[in-house]
Amino acid sequence: GEDVEQSLFLSVREGDSSVINCTYTDSSSTYLYWYKQEPGAGLQLLTYIFSNMDMKQDQRLTVLLNKKDKHLSLRIADTQTGDSAIYFCAAELSGGYNKLIFGAGTRLAVHP
Amino acid sequence: EPEVTQTPSHQVTQMGQEVILRCVPISNHLYFYWYRQILGQKVEFLVSFYNNEISEKSEIFDDQFSVERPDGSNFTLKIRSTKLEDSAMYFCASSESGGAVVTEAFFGQGTRLTVV
Repeated sequence: GEDVEQSLFLSVREGDSSVINCTYTDSSSTYLYWYKQEPGAGLQLLTYIFSNMDMKQDQRLTVLLNKKDKHLSLRIADTQTGDSAIYFCAAELSGGYNKLIFGAGTRLAVHP
Repeated sequence: EPEVTQTPSHQVTQMGQEVILRCVPISNHLYFYWYRQILGQKVEFLVSFYNNEISEKSEIFDDQFSVERPDGSNFTLKIRSTKLEDSAMYFCASSESGGAVVTEAFFGQGTRLTVV
């Protein structure tokens, strides 16, 4: 079945760039998403990319998509302590309607 | 900023009991969803709902589960006879549309259900 995989933990120093990686199996996924979850909060959509794009930049966030390898990454420039959270990669399953399949989440820890 | 609200934030129930998880979606949204996350596992799609009927459901969403929009504002998930393995964080979400044009699904903060 469809699956999304991501590494579980990333630790970076404040001010450095963070890169969170994700792989997915459903090659027909139209949209791919990055969600952020802070402690006690819901899932907040950070950004998304359409499958016919290679890159999308939004302020400190850069999303790279390698459709051939089914690899998605999220780069956070100048990482701040407020960026500490769990980051979920999600793929929209064929048929859409916001039926998303999520990765397990990458816990980003930012230290001074 | 509009938000999806869920109540309660934490529910503890005995195995075999019925539970109802409540959600108030964003007022102008038309599509509603439930997802769940078992501790340490991935967020999983349960069901989508539009125009007062289920649009799609996963294999997790068996006869023990039901959803309802009892009035113009609430969206509920009922688990008829809870099992230990139903313990999870349940997320409600809503979106303006659900079709091919991407739309942001807004998620609530979740209800943690603990079955004992």
